[in-house]
Amino acid sequence: DAGVTQSPTHLIKTRGQQVTLRCSPKSGHDTVSWYQQALGQGPQFIFQYYEEEERQRGNFPDRFSGHQFPNYSSELNVNALLLGDSALYLCASSYPGQPYNEQFFGPGTRLTVL
Amino acid sequence: GDSVTQMEGPVTLSEEAFLTINCTYTATGYPSLFWYVQYPGEGLQLLLKATKADDKGSNKGFEATYRKETTSFHLEKGSVQVSDSAVYFCALSDRGDDKIIFGKGTRLHILP
Repeated sequence: DAGVTQSPTHLIKTRGQQVTLRCSPKSGHDTVSWYQQALGQGPQFIFQYYEEEERQRGNFPDRFSGHQFPNYSSELNVNALLLGDSALYLCASSYPGQPYNEQFFGPGTRLTVL
Repeated sequence: GDSVTQMEGPVTLSEEAFLTINCTYTATGYPSLFWYVQYPGEGLQLLLKATKADDKGSNKGFEATYRKETTSFHLEKGSVQVSDSAVYFCALSDRGDDKIIFGKGTRLHILP
């Protein structure tokens, strides 16, 4: 049973460019959340997708957008990259109806903005 | 808003020492509490959880008890191993909320 997978593993971009990160949820999961983990910090919630809709959003600008596909996989898009967007981007999957909000995390995509 | 505060690292201990990593939280509701671990080069893994007051979560020799009166969820292990070296995150999720709120993490180094 494959866990949460993310691609690419690493990415280097320059300021002003756009980037797309991809995530496939754990088998049986239909909900995908994205988090940003800056160096030396804890992950911060960006947004969550369920049934191809953004269900909740954290305190991130509109430059951060996402999409969920019918097979539950998801993309995170970041436009007009800033140096401060350099971070590890984590995808997590879950399913609704759990008694607590357990989310399963992927290994992350390391984004470096130069 | 909701938040998690955990002790700053790095924490350096010798093998077989006793470990405590302090964690306190602020929440408007009645959250579930978690400890996640991040080994070098790997993603976050759920280490243990507790969903109501006085619950004790445990896994791999680690324990944490949900203390509502002190809003705390301290992580403990009686005898640490070199393989426990990692970054540990205390986290919470409020009922009906989709997001998990993490502390800043505590880096643990265990010396042989």
